[in-house]
Amino acid sequence: KAGVTQTPRYLIKTRGQQVTLSCSPISGHRSVSWYQQTPGQGLQFLFEYFSETQRNKGNFPGRFSGRQFSNSRSEMNVSTLELGDSALYLCASRGSVFSEQYFGPGTRLTVT
Amino acid sequence: QKEVEQDPGPLSVPEGAIVSLNCTYSNSAFQYFMWYRQYSRKGPELLMYTYSSGNKEDGRFTAQVDKSSKYISLFIRDSQPSDSATYLCAMSVGTGNQFYFGTGTSLTVIP
Repeated sequence: KAGVTQTPRYLIKTRGQQVTLSCSPISGHRSVSWYQQTPGQGLQFLFEYFSETQRNKGNFPGRFSGRQFSNSRSEMNVSTLELGDSALYLCASRGSVFSEQYFGPGTRLTVT
Repeated sequence: QKEVEQDPGPLSVPEGAIVSLNCTYSNSAFQYFMWYRQYSRKGPELLMYTYSSGNKEDGRFTAQVDKSSKYISLFIRDSQPSDSATYLCAMSVGTGNQFYFGTGTSLTVIP
């Protein structure tokens, strides 16, 4: 079974731009969560989608948004990028909201 | 105060040593406790999963939860160079709820 895939793997953007990251969950998984990982803050939860509906949301500004499509693929969008948005963005999928999370390799975003 | 605190290390031990990794937390409602391992340029992978207090053993790994002290530990026996990675603790109130992660402890096992 293929694992969680994330595209692109690396991205460099300029302050003020916007960016869209993509996540394809494991086949059959309907839940997708997004996390931001930085050395100082560790892994911080952004949001979780299940069957195209947002279930949980972390404490991030409205510049961070997401959506999930009917095939369970998910996208995360960050508008008006700031230097502090530089991080590894991880996506995790699970078969149900009560089962183990499987993480993708992440997208490394650098904002200059 | 952060929900979960974890010493970032780095921790460096010789091969064969016993490793102890720890996290403390502030939310007494946490019931589910997890340890993840993250290799460089990879996503985290689940190592151990514990519900409530007590110990759980899986091969060379033992997870301990002390809810009265709000303290969890991961012990690695007979550590191997392949154990070199960042170890993250995580916890949640319920399985369907948000996960809270520690910042991770970087471990290097020297052959």
